[in-house]
Amino acid sequence: EPEVTQTPSHQVTQMGQEVILRCVPISNHLYFYWYRQILGQKVEFLVSFYNNEISEKSEIFDDQFSVERPDGSNFTLKIRSTKLEDSAMYFCASRGTVGYEQYFGPGTRLTVT
Amino acid sequence: AQSVTQLGSHVSVSEGALVLLRCNYSSSVPPYLFWYVQYPNQGLQLLLKYTSAATLVKGINGFEAEFKKSETSFHLTKPSAHMSDAAEYFCAVSDPGNDMRFGAGTRLTVKP
Repeated sequence: EPEVTQTPSHQVTQMGQEVILRCVPISNHLYFYWYRQILGQKVEFLVSFYNNEISEKSEIFDDQFSVERPDGSNFTLKIRSTKLEDSAMYFCASRGTVGYEQYFGPGTRLTVT
Repeated sequence: AQSVTQLGSHVSVSEGALVLLRCNYSSSVPPYLFWYVQYPNQGLQLLLKYTSAATLVKGINGFEAEFKKSETSFHLTKPSAHMSDAAEYFCAVSDPGNDMRFGAGTRLTVKP
């Protein structure tokens, strides 16, 4: 069964450093998403992406964040200058054109020290 | 804008007992509704979805949910809890054309 994959599973970085989180969505999906979950808290929407552009973003998704689909398979989230409060699980999700359910990857745990 | 409210951040049941996790939604148009489950240190897995067909929706692992428009609810139930059901459960809503929003989650504990 096709699935969303994410790398790395755990990323440790120092405050102020740039990180890139990578996702490979399900191959025939066209809608892509990033979510964040701070430890013990709810899943928060960050951004949605369709047709090579951002379709919606939350107030969390400020200028420090960017997304890109550099090729036909990868979808990346970049945080330019990480802060301590960026420490969280980051989930990528994708969906197709039939139905609105999203399929989630296993997440990347980002730890900013 | 659409939103969901999950009543009860933590629900504890005994093994074999009924599981009832509550979710109320707010949406200006007929919504699509979802329940996801998150096991420890894992991603979110789709349990079931409502997309304007039958109001009683059956999902995986014996779970089901009923869409009640008059009550704006989409509660999740399972007749008999198993220890393996212990997890975090998230209700989510999506208006057609809009993106998904999640509730705060309900942690289900199952006691032996």
